[in-house]
Amino acid sequence: GNSVTQMEGPVTLSEEAFLTINCTYTATGYPSLFWYVQYPGEGLQLLLKATKADDKGSNKGFEATYRKETTSFHLEKGSVQVSDSAVYFCALSIQGAQKLVFGQGTRLTINP
Amino acid sequence: DAGITQSPRYKITETGRQVTLMCHQTWSHSYMFWYRQDLGHGLRLIYYSAAADITDKGEVPDGYVVSRSKTENFPLTLESATRSQTSVYFCASSEVLGGGETQYFGPGTRLLVL
Repeated sequence: GNSVTQMEGPVTLSEEAFLTINCTYTATGYPSLFWYVQYPGEGLQLLLKATKADDKGSNKGFEATYRKETTSFHLEKGSVQVSDSAVYFCALSIQGAQKLVFGQGTRLTINP
Repeated sequence: DAGITQSPRYKITETGRQVTLMCHQTWSHSYMFWYRQDLGHGLRLIYYSAAADITDKGEVPDGYVVSRSKTENFPLTLESATRSQTSVYFCASSEVLGGGETQYFGPGTRLLVL
């Protein structure tokens, strides 16, 4: 079946630290990969995505590269800010299917 | 305002009561989805709809009913609420393109079943 495994949280970092949140997947077919972010009290919103192997998604200083050989889509940011505190979800969808399969989410807290 | 809205934002009900959560989108997206979010489980798909009058089960459909008579609305009904249905419910929508479509989420409904 299709599944997403995320690095367990919570993760706590100091401002300006380097961030990595690991995400690996199992999928039949050719998945598209996503990172969604959920700020406190809000719904999820798309942070970045990649639709084929070796694509790099980027947004707001965050990056993730679609690695087919390691079935991974790790989220990175070089220098985090307090405003990046949120829950981050890795997800996949299979081509031709609109449904998303989510990881469990990783809560990130950035201290000033 | 354009976008996807949910109502109510907060709801407290009692076991056995029927509850309907509303979802409305203004983009005319073909697909709509209902998820529940629980600690330790991430988001799990309850039901989804590919178009008006077309619905299908997701991962956790038991105890829920949906309908979609109009493209823009996708209500979720708990026919007889149970405590295990206490959760945060999110509605989402997406277009149909070539693949990798973004889903757009509403702000959520926080439901407490006593």
